[in-house]
Amino acid sequence: DQQVKQNSPSLSVQEGRISILNCDYTNSMFDYFLWYKKYPAEGPTFLISISSIKDKNEDGRFTVFLNKSAKHLSLHIVPSQPGDSAVYFCAAIIETSGSRLTFGEGTQLTVNP
Amino acid sequence: DAGVIQSPRHEVTEMGQEVTLRCKPISGHDYLFWYRQTMMRGLELLIYFNNNVPIDDSGMPEDRFSAKMPNASFSTLKIQPSEPRDSAVYFCASSLEGTGNSPLHFGNGTRLTVT
Repeated sequence: DQQVKQNSPSLSVQEGRISILNCDYTNSMFDYFLWYKKYPAEGPTFLISISSIKDKNEDGRFTVFLNKSAKHLSLHIVPSQPGDSAVYFCAAIIETSGSRLTFGEGTQLTVNP
Repeated sequence: DAGVIQSPRHEVTEMGQEVTLRCKPISGHDYLFWYRQTMMRGLELLIYFNNNVPIDDSGMPEDRFSAKMPNASFSTLKIQPSEPRDSAVYFCASSLEGTGNSPLHFGNGTRLTVT
């Protein structure tokens, strides 16, 4: 049972435009959400996170939005840059149930110059 | 800090052989995680440790897999005997507190190929 799903395997955008990556989850007990970025031949690196008590968190060009009623979160990158081309994973955790982080399948973002 | 260090980067072995993957976490991190990435299942948690003690090994696929953390600076993941379906990228990660507010720091992974 895939509790965290990223339904778009890939996304292609033009440099300077907005990139929107989406993630859906099924377990309403998740209370913390994270986004990781992964370049080829490297491990994932942490990008941004959001607690379930918030609906938005912003860090520079990156903003994560959380819609708890829809069990949906999204990552916005504005403006997109070629260096943002990577695989993006969303992940979720139930903080009171230990440290098990559940990942989505990932979305390959390509930013074209 | 050098980050999480994994070795080897690549491992090619024949079915039936023993494979040992190694990990050095970031100094001071109390949590260590082993993840496996495959096309079919994505990134899945195999096991994690807190202060060198295994806490959750429910993701370990079967008895052929075992993990140890003899001290705070070293962990191993062993597969014996290995099978072709074990071919994947294995990541080790560490974190300070094991909470959502304490993100995982991943190593660069070990790509395992079992022929």
